Amino acid sequence: ETGVTQSPTHLIKTRGQQVTLRCSSQSGHNTVSWYQQALGQGPQFIFQYYREEENGRGNFPPRFSGLQFPNYSSELNVNALELDDSALYLCASSYYAGTGASYEQYFGPGTRLTVT
Amino acid sequence: QQQVKQSPQSLIVQKGGISIINCAYENTAFDYFPWYQQFPGKGPALLIAIRPDVSEKKEGRFTISFNKSAKQFSLHIMDSQPGDSATYFCAPSGTGNQFYFGTGTSLTVIP
Repeated sequence: ETGVTQSPTHLIKTRGQQVTLRCSSQSGHNTVSWYQQALGQGPQFIFQYYREEENGRGNFPPRFSGLQFPNYSSELNVNALELDDSALYLCASSYYAGTGASYEQYFGPGTRLTVT
Repeated sequence: QQQVKQSPQSLIVQKGGISIINCAYENTAFDYFPWYQQFPGKGPALLIAIRPDVSEKKEGRFTISFNKSAKQFSLHIMDSQPGDSATYFCAPSGTGNQFYFGTGTSLTVIP
């Protein structure tokens, strides 16, 4: 098991509502990435936070937003939920030196979001 | 989106056999090539990874082979066990520590 934790485990929301998902990074890690994994698909990169700022974004609309806090924990916020937002949302933490090179990334167990 | 193609989509292997999963990528700026293992209801777990300065890396029963010129890398699972039954993803990464996942390979190891 990694040291990355996510809450809640499961969540059911209605279309049009807003949701906030939370992630605590593994000790020593300074970067958090969020992914959306639809059933039977690979994780899709949403965005990454490094030093409390967004450091890259995938092909997701602005209604997907995030925050990283000084203790490197993070939130993913999704506004105006759509049925297609139903998925497993994964948080991954890593240590990034800011040099451009990539490092090991460790995933949490995910939050299963169902939009009805 | 960065193109990452993984094959096969599914794989059935007898216990003790060799499982081979392939990943092809387009972005020559990728500098880190991991494989992740995912069990149902769990997050992906880092299995093994390689950097482009070596062509092969072995950890226990798991080996990565890397072909920089062909822009491909593969995962070999030796002496496959029923406990290896899971979905495997390649997820190359480039500048900025951003990872691009393949579509996954469902491996079933038959006892």
